Formats: sequence, C-alpha cells, structure tokens
Amino acid sequence: QKEVEQDPGPLSVPEGAIVSLNCTYSNSAFQYFMWYRQYSRKGPELLMYTYSSGNKEDGRFTAQVDKSSKYISLFIRDSQPSDSATYLCAIRINTGKLIFGQGTTLQVKP
Amino acid sequence: NAGVTQTPKFQVLKTGQSMTLQCAQDMNHNSMYWYRQDPGMGLRLIYYSASEGTTDKGEVPNGYNVSRLNKREFSLRLESAAPSQTSVYFCASSANRGDGYTFGSGTRLTVV
Repeated sequence: QKEVEQDPGPLSVPEGAIVSLNCTYSNSAFQYFMWYRQYSRKGPELLMYTYSSGNKEDGRFTAQVDKSSKYISLFIRDSQPSDSATYLCAIRINTGKLIFGQGTTLQVKP
Repeated sequence: NAGVTQTPKFQVLKTGQSMTLQCAQDMNHNSMYWYRQDPGMGLRLIYYSASEGTTDKGEVPNGYNVSRLNKREFSLRLESAAPSQTSVYFCASSANRGDGYTFGSGTRLTVV
C-alpha cells in the first residue's frame, strides 16, 4: 500500500463550482499535511500547510484533515479557470521527509 | 527574488552521455532536494541534503550522484544516461527538513 494515495483525475468542472480534492494516507502517526499547486510546465508551489485535524481556510481554499479516517481534502469555492492546474497533497513523515501524492489534474471550464 | 533556479531548462542526451543539472537557491535555506516527476508516478525523491556538507539517498537514487557545493548550490549528475532517466527533474529547498518546499521550474530531460 502506498503511503499517500491520490486520485489522478482528471477532474473537469464548470466555473463557479465547488471542487473537492482528496488524499488518503496509511500511517496514523503522520502529522503535517500540505497542498501544492502545479501549473503546466511549472514547478509545484505551496498552497496550504496544516498540522492538526480540522479545517484551515485561506480565501477560496479550505484544507481539511480527518486523522481518524486518515483523509485529507482541499476544497476550492467559486472555482475559476485560473485554478486549472495539478494539485498535489504532501505529508511529512516522521523522518522529516515529504511524501507526495500522484496529483489530481483539475480543469475549470469558463 | 529568484527563489530556486535550475539550469538547463531543456536537454536532450544520447544514451551513455553524462551531464550535470545545476540548482541554486537564494533564500538561505538549509535543506535541498532533487525529485523526478513522471506521468502516473508523481514526485519521487532522488537525493536530498539536509544541510550543507551532507547528502542522503532518496527513493530512486540509482544512476545519479549529487554534490552540495555550498549552502546555495546542489547539483545532480547523471554519469551514463539511460532512456529510463527521461523525466522532468525538480530541485527544491526548505528552511529546514520538513518545512514547506520551494521548487524550481524544472529541467526537461530526454535521453534517446
């Protein structure tokens, strides 16, 4: 079993939709969770960083962690065509390394 | 404010050739990393350097070597390129190991 699993998509939604992106992880000891956004032909950029269970909001983006289910989510409200990108979850494991999910490709259609 | 700079951006190699990918960061970060990104495989760690003077293997180190030249620079060398090393290579840095990473824009390498 992979340490971090993410549905690669692709996911296509109309502009204005609420988008839900998800990852599952295998080890309940993991504590730090991140979301990166990667535009085509660019490097990933850090979008959000959470430590504990619950929600963290930043503008139209909300990161959610459910440690009991070992499930993390990124919600995008009022999605825009400029949100079209690949979104990667990343989890910091106990050695300090980051383990990345495969990434989910999102397309927001005008 | 350059962040992480990678050179070259594109490269085509013949099987057996060698080359060095260069990476430099200007954020005074301690830790630096080399990843490769392949379709369906996500980002896989090749080597990392937790601090100046140290390097360690990641998930897929075979066929690669690294040098942490100083705090700013971390290079990745392919001694004898193989078609399986065709990939997009990303360098990243973080203030300390486990912090959020800043990535470069990548090097697209094709080995024919």
